[in-house]
Amino acid sequence: DAGVIQSPRHEVTEMGQEVTLRCKPISGHNSLFWYRQTMMRGLELLIYFNNNVPIDDSGMPEDRFSAKMPNASFSTLKIQPSEPRDSAVYFCASSFGQGADKNIQYFGAGTRLSVL
Amino acid sequence: SQKIEQNSEALNIQEGKTATLTCNYTNYSPAYLQWYRQDPGRGPVFLLLIRENEKEKRKERLKVTFDTTLKQSLFHITASQPADSATYLCALSYSSASKIIFGSGTRLSIRP
Repeated sequence: DAGVIQSPRHEVTEMGQEVTLRCKPISGHNSLFWYRQTMMRGLELLIYFNNNVPIDDSGMPEDRFSAKMPNASFSTLKIQPSEPRDSAVYFCASSFGQGADKNIQYFGAGTRLSVL
Repeated sequence: SQKIEQNSEALNIQEGKTATLTCNYTNYSPAYLQWYRQDPGRGPVFLLLIRENEKEKRKERLKVTFDTTLKQSLFHITASQPADSATYLCALSYSSASKIIFGSGTRLSIRP
């Protein structure tokens, strides 16, 4: 398996523009997680899905952020409109979602977002 | 809310020595505690998981301990090598189906 695949790897945009980040989880995994990582705040959970259903979105910072998982093999994280403070590395991770060892998360390589 | 503290932002030790990283948490003990490694420009990679009823777990040169009385986990790398240089994150979860909460990480540097 190729692992969790994220695209794009880098995104540079101007303030006010819409940004869409994409994630393909590992086949067979039924939980998907979106994280944001910055030097100041570390790795923060934004939202996670079980079986394509959003379970906890309490980490989503504002209404400008939205996430969808239309099927088991694809998820998007959208920021509209983007702001400079959204600049960070965004990670997607997936897991089996049940049982102790299945709680282990597998991360993608991340998308480095810069909002100018 | 649960708070996780990793002992220091950075730790520098000499090659061949044992590196010991600390993870402390507040409030109630998690069901599972995990350690991940993160290299620059990459996502975290899972290393070890220990359950609340386990005292110790080993994998090659890695050892994790879990003390629910002290609310602490220790992560040891024996015979450390420069290739072990990375940021190490501890993470807690309270059930097998719940989200996990990450600490801020400790940046470990092994000098030759």
